[in-house]
Amino acid sequence: DGGITQSPKYLFRKEGQNVTLSCEQNLNHDAMYWYRQDPGQGLRLIYYSQIVNDFQKGDIAEGYSVSREKKESFPLTVTSAQKNPTAFYLCASSATGASGNTIYFGEGSWLTVV
Amino acid sequence: GQSLEQPSEVTAVEGAIVQINCTYQTSGFYGLSWYQQHDGGAPTFLSYNALDGLEETGRFSSFLSRSDSYGYLLLQELQMKDSASYFCAVYNAGNMLTFGGGTRLMVKP
Repeated sequence: DGGITQSPKYLFRKEGQNVTLSCEQNLNHDAMYWYRQDPGQGLRLIYYSQIVNDFQKGDIAEGYSVSREKKESFPLTVTSAQKNPTAFYLCASSATGASGNTIYFGEGSWLTVV
Repeated sequence: GQSLEQPSEVTAVEGAIVQINCTYQTSGFYGLSWYQQHDGGAPTFLSYNALDGLEETGRFSSFLSRSDSYGYLLLQELQMKDSASYFCAVYNAGNMLTFGGGTRLMVKP
């Protein structure tokens, strides 16, 4: 089945540690995104990538890093520099061009700092 | 910058009709999308308007007025399963979606 797979679903991190969230898609989409969602809030863009080996900062990139070495993979690292990382993280992808207006989301990853 | 405004919460009864409004400010506007998100789940695509007017998909319809920077989502024959958060999102140059803060819809029996 085609889709977006995020892992892990739930993750606990100690303060001062980096953690990497995985995102894999088999939709053959060029564009991939990472959003952060706090409880009861909207989605805020962290990073996005239009093509392999290229990515841009979104609205809240500080304390996060990404890579896009393969078309199907867009991992997000939450670094120790992110002061309030506890949130729901959503990975998404879309085709470019005329059909690029629809974004498909993974099931999300819950990160809790303990 | 970009900004979107939508009500934080709406309550309606089963079988009723509800309208969720969205106003936006953005540059390089391509279109307005609507997404539904149930608690703890991923957002799912509902509709997209690039041109002025009404788009209908079953019980859901979406409207756009580009000149007024305004759109709405209309939900008819409300069902309990429609209780969720609804987000408007602006699609602009750069193939990016910027989301509003979401409207939590509670459907009561």
